[in-house]
Amino acid sequence: EAQVTQNPRYLITVTGKKLTVTCSQNMNHEYMSWYRQDPGLGLRQIYYSMNVEVTDKGDVPEGYKVSRKEKRNFPLILESPSPNQTSLYFCASSSGLLAGEFTYNEQFFGPGTRLTVL
Amino acid sequence: AQKVTQAQTEISVVEKEDVTLDCVYETRDTTYYLFWYKQPPSGELVFLIRRNSFDEQNEISGRYSWNFQKSTSSFNFTITASQVVDSAVYFCALSEAENTDKLIFGTGTRLQVFP
Repeated sequence: EAQVTQNPRYLITVTGKKLTVTCSQNMNHEYMSWYRQDPGLGLRQIYYSMNVEVTDKGDVPEGYKVSRKEKRNFPLILESPSPNQTSLYFCASSSGLLAGEFTYNEQFFGPGTRLTVL
Repeated sequence: AQKVTQAQTEISVVEKEDVTLDCVYETRDTTYYLFWYKQPPSGELVFLIRRNSFDEQNEISGRYSWNFQKSTSSFNFTITASQVVDSAVYFCALSEAENTDKLIFGTGTRLQVFP
């Protein structure tokens, strides 16, 4: 089954304790991205990656790190979490813009990770 | 700059009513892509539709229909004969051809369908 998986699904942690949220996709997608969802703000992009070893900042990158060492994995790292990073996090992947075709494929989202930082 | 506005924060209807969710977008690009996603109470994001800017045909899928109007920069979503299972938060999103790395979401509309 084609899917994006995230782990853990729920996490409660304390300020300053480093954590990693894993994301993996089995669709051989080149493009992957992380979003956070907050009430009244919709989803905002944190980081994205166009391919292995290629990452770039989204709209709200402060306090986060990412890496893309393999095509299928795109972990999100919080080196020193703070309470304002309490949020619902989504990982997404896409095959992106199809070469030679005038269409951009939709992003497939993981199930979400609800993070609480105390 | 690109922007998506979903002015309706929350809509409540009774089952079998028709309901339209509004989406207005801003972009300077002539080629762009519009999306609708559904987020049911379980929390996952479900892709509903993609529309390319050069394709202004409206689309119908069962009880769902989408009205894309470039003249008013709108991409509205109508549910006909709503059902309780339609209760969810619906997000409209935009991606520009010159910057397909970025998907800009609206703030979402929460739809509650009562029996």
